[in-house]
Amino acid sequence: GDSVTQMEGPVTLSEEAFLTINCTYTATGYPSLFWYVQYPGEGLQLLLKATKADDKGSNKGFEATYRKETTSFHLEKGSVQVSDSAVYFCALLNQGGKLIFGQGTELSVKP
Amino acid sequence: DVKVTQSSRYLVKRTGEKVFLECVQDMDHENMFWYRQDPGLGLRLIYFSYDVKMKEKGDIPEGYSVSREKKERFSLILESASTNQTSMYLCASSFSGTVYNEQFFGPGTRLTVL
Repeated sequence: GDSVTQMEGPVTLSEEAFLTINCTYTATGYPSLFWYVQYPGEGLQLLLKATKADDKGSNKGFEATYRKETTSFHLEKGSVQVSDSAVYFCALLNQGGKLIFGQGTELSVKP
Repeated sequence: DVKVTQSSRYLVKRTGEKVFLECVQDMDHENMFWYRQDPGLGLRLIYFSYDVKMKEKGDIPEGYSVSREKKERFSLILESASTNQTSMYLCASSFSGTVYNEQFFGPGTRLTVL
């Protein structure tokens, strides 16, 4: 079945470091891809999305490119801040309209 | 501003109790969802609803039921709570028929069953 795999956390970085969180997926057809973020004590918020191959989603300095050839949607940010500390979820929306999540990656940014 | 609200942020119940978790959205969304979130497992879909009085099982429906009597409200029911249902429960809603069907999430209810 369809699935999403993320790199395991926790990821601990210093402020202004470069961030990459890997995400790969398995799905039939052409799913839409998402990154959601969950700040401490809150629900999930959509961070960015891409609906077709080679699309780049971006928001708040985060970027991710839909790579069909490698079935990947890695999340990147050039310079992280303490306020970026959160749990990040990669997800796909499959042909049946179901949203499938990865296990989440916790990011901790130290001053 | 879009809003999905859940009736409680924290809830403590005893084994065998009947538990109701309520979710309300003010965006006139057709679709509503209940997930549970557990460390290392991400979010898993329990039930969803595409319309009033309609419901569909998700991946882990055992031990749960749902009710949708009004479009804006979707309730999750634990008929007889058990300790393995201790978890974070997240409600979400979305429009139907959009290209990517973005789901909007509530803040979550952290349920502890003793």
